[in-house]
Amino acid sequence: GAGVSQSPSNKVTEKGKDVELRCDPISGHTALYWYRQSLGQGLEFLIYFQGNSAPDKSGLPSDRFSAERTGGSVSTLTIQRTQQEDSAVYLCASSLRGVVGGYTFGSGTRLTVV
Amino acid sequence: SQQGEEDPQALSIQEGENATMNCSYKTSINNLQWYRQNSGRGLVHLILIRSNEREKHSGRLRVTLDTSKKSSSLLITASRAADTASYFCATDTGRRALTFGSGTRLQVQP
Repeated sequence: GAGVSQSPSNKVTEKGKDVELRCDPISGHTALYWYRQSLGQGLEFLIYFQGNSAPDKSGLPSDRFSAERTGGSVSTLTIQRTQQEDSAVYLCASSLRGVVGGYTFGSGTRLTVV
Repeated sequence: SQQGEEDPQALSIQEGENATMNCSYKTSINNLQWYRQNSGRGLVHLILIRSNEREKHSGRLRVTLDTSKKSSSLLITASRAADTASYFCATDTGRRALTFGSGTRLQVQP
């Protein structure tokens, strides 16, 4: 597609439920990133995929968080047993050249855990 | 503390004035990038400056980089109400992902 697409744009869930957030990167972009942005804060790195390499999961805050990227394209971020502190905007970005070039971000998924 | 920290945290100016935002970082970098985020939207890449560059221009944007002071500045000239947004610096430190600062919120009053 023309840009990075994320769905849903908003998600309200009850504490303890599982959620799945989807990211559809720009076609041909081999690098895909997930970040988390709490209200009024900067971006917190979560996970990075590059081609067929093993993902860099070093930013995932707990084992309740996992992500996969199927066929080198669409990625899903899953949060199990959601907690209120998981409430944030989850941003996905893709890049043709990784950190040596610019990222293209999606509009994000605003997750609210009640 | 964060790799990239923007200063000031918030800035309010009148339309037509220049806006200057600063970014300080702690470790050596390969490049530094600036992004803009409009309220409720994703970030948009503005400009990239490499570690061996000192200044770069793009339209009304001017970015400087001082690697000896580990700092960068973003200047927006002749600001417009549409420039109202949050601005973030991001650094490539050789890790596999960019590290973002906490941002500067710019308000341009018409």
